[in-house]
Amino acid sequence: EPEVTQTPSHQVTQMGQEVILRCVPISNHLYFYWYRQILGQKVEFLVSFYNNEISEKSEIFDDQFSVERPDGSNFTLKIRSTKLEDSAMYFCASREGLWQNQPQHFGDGTRLSIL
Amino acid sequence: AQKITQTQPGMFVQEKEAVTLDCTYDTSDPSYGLFWYKQPSSGEMIFLIYQGSYDQQNATEGRYSLNFQKARKSANLVISASQLGDSAMYFCSSRYTGNQFYFGTGTSLTVIP
Repeated sequence: EPEVTQTPSHQVTQMGQEVILRCVPISNHLYFYWYRQILGQKVEFLVSFYNNEISEKSEIFDDQFSVERPDGSNFTLKIRSTKLEDSAMYFCASREGLWQNQPQHFGDGTRLSIL
Repeated sequence: AQKITQTQPGMFVQEKEAVTLDCTYDTSDPSYGLFWYKQPSSGEMIFLIYQGSYDQQNATEGRYSLNFQKARKSANLVISASQLGDSAMYFCSSRYTGNQFYFGTGTSLTVIP
C-alpha cells in the first residue's frame, strides 16, 4: 500500500540554525499538509498546500516557516532560525482529493530536537 | 474556539471488553467530516474511521464503530472486543469548510490483560 514517507526520522539542531524536513506524499495525492505535535500534546495544524501554493495556514505558521514542492515528489518544510520551542514531532500528510470522506494519510513523522 | 473536544485524557479497558472514547465538535457548517486516528507509542498516525455529516448511518470499520449523534454534536468511537494492541493514543479530527483539519487533545487508551 502506498505511504507517505518522511526524512529524517530524527533531527537534532542547534538553536538558530535552519532545518529542512522532507516528505514524499503518496503519488496521486493532490493536497499536502504539515502538522506539529509537541510532546504529550495534541496535533496542531500548520499549513495546507495545493496546486503549488499554500491554501491555508495557522497562526503558528509565521515567517519563520516556509513550504515548498521543489519537484514532482518532495514536499518540504523549512524552519529558519530555530528556537527551543520548535522542538516537536512534525507530521506530513497527504490527501487524494477534497471529497469529504477522504482521510489524510500521515507519514511516521520527524522528531525535531532543538538544543 | 475549541473545534474538537476530547474530555477523557486516559481510559482503561479490560481485554475483550468494549470501550467508548468521547469526542464532541463545534461547527455551524452543514457539511463536515469527522475522523478518528490511532497513534501507537511508535508515533505514527493511523486512520481508523470516518463519519460524514450527511451520513444517515453510523460508520463501522471492523471492530471500530462511530456513535454519531448529530444533534448533540458528538462522534464517539466505540472499540469492541479490545485487544492489547489497541493500547494507544486516539485522536478525533474534524474537517469543516476549507482545507484545514482540527484535532482534539487525544485519549490515551490502555488495554488491561
